[in-house]
Amino acid sequence: NAGVTQTPKFRILKIGQSMTLQCTQDMNHNYMYWYRQDPGMGLKLIYYSVGAGITDKGEVPNGYNVSRSTTEDFPLRLELAAPSQTSVYFCASEDSGRASYEQYFGPGTRLTVT
Amino acid sequence: GENVEQHPSTLSVQEGDSAVIKCTYSDSASNYFPWYKQELGKRPQLIIDIRSNVGEKKDQRIAVTLNKTAKHFSLHITETQPEDSAVYFCAASRRRDTGRRALTFGSGTRLQVQP
Repeated sequence: NAGVTQTPKFRILKIGQSMTLQCTQDMNHNYMYWYRQDPGMGLKLIYYSVGAGITDKGEVPNGYNVSRSTTEDFPLRLELAAPSQTSVYFCASEDSGRASYEQYFGPGTRLTVT
Repeated sequence: GENVEQHPSTLSVQEGDSAVIKCTYSDSASNYFPWYKQELGKRPQLIIDIRSNVGEKKDQRIAVTLNKTAKHFSLHITETQPEDSAVYFCAASRRRDTGRRALTFGSGTRLQVQP
């Protein structure tokens, strides 16, 4: 089991560029989440999905889009990158069927927008 | 929405001492309270969690206590070791109508254990 994987590990974008952050999990988890972590801060929820074809906004969704065409993949799209989107992005998954509520995090993508 | 406050922001202890980190939450419907440890440049790792039907939970040197009436919960680490040095985050959540469990995180505590 690879768990939750994210690509790329690092990326530098120019203002106005677009990119997709990839997230894949091989644990057959229904729930998936995208968080961002600004320097010295806790994580904030951007978007989440409770299953293939179902997505919804979290706390800080502006400037982002997501899709969930399969159980395994949950890509995060940044359109028109802005310096305020400089952050570390973590994807997480959760097994909705288990008694444990644990969210499993990917290794993160460090994004810099200049 | 939920608001989680965490104190202190930094904590320095001598090896072998105890460390206590405290969090308060605002949403009385929250019923799940995990604690995460994050080492520099790494992903958050769950170290212990507690649900609202339990007042205390212990796992070796780590314990968490929950006071639902006061809406606060605390992490206790005993016999601290240098490898306990990291940033610790508390979080609170409740199951929404959609089924998802939204975690609201505190701002983190940087724990430094001095050898």
